[in-house]
Amino acid sequence: GEDVEQSLFLSVREGDSSVINCTYTDSSSTYLYWYKQEPGAGLQLLTYIFSNMDMKQDQRLTVLLNKKDKHLSLRIADTQTGDSAIYFCAETDSGTYKYIFGTGTRLKVLA
Amino acid sequence: DTAVSQTPKYLVTQMGNDKSIKCEQNLGHDTMYWYKQDSKKFLKIMFSYNNKELIINETVPNRFSPKSPDKAHLNLHINSLELGDSAVYFCASRPSGSGELFFGEGSRLTVL
Repeated sequence: GEDVEQSLFLSVREGDSSVINCTYTDSSSTYLYWYKQEPGAGLQLLTYIFSNMDMKQDQRLTVLLNKKDKHLSLRIADTQTGDSAIYFCAETDSGTYKYIFGTGTRLKVLA
Repeated sequence: DTAVSQTPKYLVTQMGNDKSIKCEQNLGHDTMYWYKQDSKKFLKIMFSYNNKELIINETVPNRFSPKSPDKAHLNLHINSLELGDSAVYFCASRPSGSGELFFGEGSRLTVL
């Protein structure tokens, strides 16, 4: 199947870390992505990881990939109110770049 | 300065009507996409064009017809609109050799 699953909601306090999880199904995926969607806007790429990597860090963002379990996570350190948005994981190959998006996680950051 | 622009941003119409949504990108990208986002925020690919050629065509009713007059434009025409077509439609583009998608702001279609 092509379902990429995420938990629907996450609520954290400002300054805490947020961890958003994603389970994908296609083991042949080459790239895995995290996109952010703010209200009334399109998606914006936050970060991505190659399938042969285990971890990638980019400022406050840390991506972990467990290829055996097909599990991807995004950790946001020192979460701010501006991080409140919907976060989508996505997988694709490097041929067709036919993205399969996750179901989206709505992150709410409480002041 | 807008990289991927869609028009109209909002569209309210009656069932059975025909409508079009237009998309233009000024990024020089070769590949463009249409995605549909439903009320639960699920995002599904509909079509993709590479240099005016259709390369991805998902299981979409043939009431939906994309048209790419040139590689900077990808329009979506919908015939005989149904209630279930109500959604936000996103256009996106992608440069060759990169996986990053650049999204427009979306066109919210409401069918009454």
